[in-house]
Amino acid sequence: AQSVTQPDIHITVSEGASLELRCNYSYGATPYLFWYVQSPGQGLQLLLKYFSGDTLVQGIKGFEAEFKRSQSSFNLRKPSVHWSDAAEYFCAVVRYSGGYQKVTFGTGTKLQVIP
Amino acid sequence: DGGITQSPKYLFRKEGQNVTLSCEQNLNHDAMYWYRQDPGQGLRLIYYSQIVNDFQKGDIAEGYSVSREKKESFPLTVTSAQKNPTAFYLCASSVQDRLSPRYEQYFGPGTRLTVT
Repeated sequence: AQSVTQPDIHITVSEGASLELRCNYSYGATPYLFWYVQSPGQGLQLLLKYFSGDTLVQGIKGFEAEFKRSQSSFNLRKPSVHWSDAAEYFCAVVRYSGGYQKVTFGTGTKLQVIP
Repeated sequence: DGGITQSPKYLFRKEGQNVTLSCEQNLNHDAMYWYRQDPGQGLRLIYYSQIVNDFQKGDIAEGYSVSREKKESFPLTVTSAQKNPTAFYLCASSVQDRLSPRYEQYFGPGTRLTVT
């Protein structure tokens, strides 16, 4: 069975500081990995995705993530955080099961940005 | 603009009443999904549908029902059998590709249901 672990429930960073959100997955085959962001009371928006090729993927809003098979990780990074980045971030692994997309989400990391 | 709409944004019901949450998409996606979100638990799949007039149970379908009579619409009914219905409900849709799960899901803004 696939699983996703986001070990940090809550992270606080200063505006302008760098950010790294951790994600570890468990999946037997090549994973399809996604990062989503959710503002309070809103739906999820895709930041970036990985399914093959270059292990460093670029996303929207200046985010990037690096896929490391040896560590089963797909950590999200941003070099300089803006106050508007305060939100909850979800890592997800996707596979095909019974003809549909089976998405397993992590429990999320809530990001607080302080001035 | 293409997207997913969910209505209403907030919904209040008395215990024992059924309630239906609306989900409409104009993205021309075949696949649609309903998730439940509780604090600290991520998203859990309730039901999904790959095509009109067909739907399947997800991980936590008990106490819920759905229909898919039109491609654009996938309403969710929370029945009185659902023991703990207060939650944030998210609808999503995606391209249906039977060869690869590489297409992301697009999410609606959610409906917060409170049952007292």
